[in-house]
Amino acid sequence: NAGVTQTPKFQVLKTGQSMTLQCAQDMNHEYMSWYRQDPGMGLRLIHYSVGAGITDQGEVPNGYNVSRSTTEDFPLRLLSAAPSQTSVYFCASTRSVRGGNSPLHFGNGTRLTVT
Amino acid sequence: GIQVEQSPPDLILQEGANSTLRCNFSDSVNNLQWFHQNPWGQLINLFYIPSGTKQNGRLSATTVATERYSLLYISSSQTTDSGVYFCADSGGSNYKLTFGKGTLLTVNP
Repeated sequence: NAGVTQTPKFQVLKTGQSMTLQCAQDMNHEYMSWYRQDPGMGLRLIHYSVGAGITDQGEVPNGYNVSRSTTEDFPLRLLSAAPSQTSVYFCASTRSVRGGNSPLHFGNGTRLTVT
Repeated sequence: GIQVEQSPPDLILQEGANSTLRCNFSDSVNNLQWFHQNPWGQLINLFYIPSGTKQNGRLSATTVATERYSLLYISSSQTTDSGVYFCADSGGSNYKLTFGKGTLLTVNP
């Protein structure tokens, strides 16, 4: 198993550009999520999904869109990049949100810089 | 949502020393987890521990759910233990994990 795979590893955008961060998992996990990590702020939840076709907002959803057309993939779209979106983005997944004993597994992150 | 407070924010140890990291939660815990972020930025799940005690090698964790806190013990620390340790919980029946701001651990040789 590859686990949670994120691409690209690094990206530089100009203000106003759009792009999609890719996330895929091969563990048949129900739950997938996106976090951003900023210095001194810990990790903050952007969007999450409890299954194909179901998405919901986290703590900091503005400026981002997601979709979950398959169990495996959960892309994060930046509609019009802003310097405030400069951050490290992590995708994470877990087997199920029901029944407990579901540790969260992270991808290796995407470092995004918006100039 | 749930508030997560970690202490201490920074910790410097000599190799071989023991340490205890703590997380306090403002709400009941349901999906409490501990993570280690290594110096290369990778986040590794250490424990899923909404209650009780678990051990994995030199690391162990204890959660006292009735008092809403959890402790991570690192024994005989090694330089490879350096990094940031995070705890997180959802505080409710869903899985929207809230993370603490982390404890930066530096283990010197």
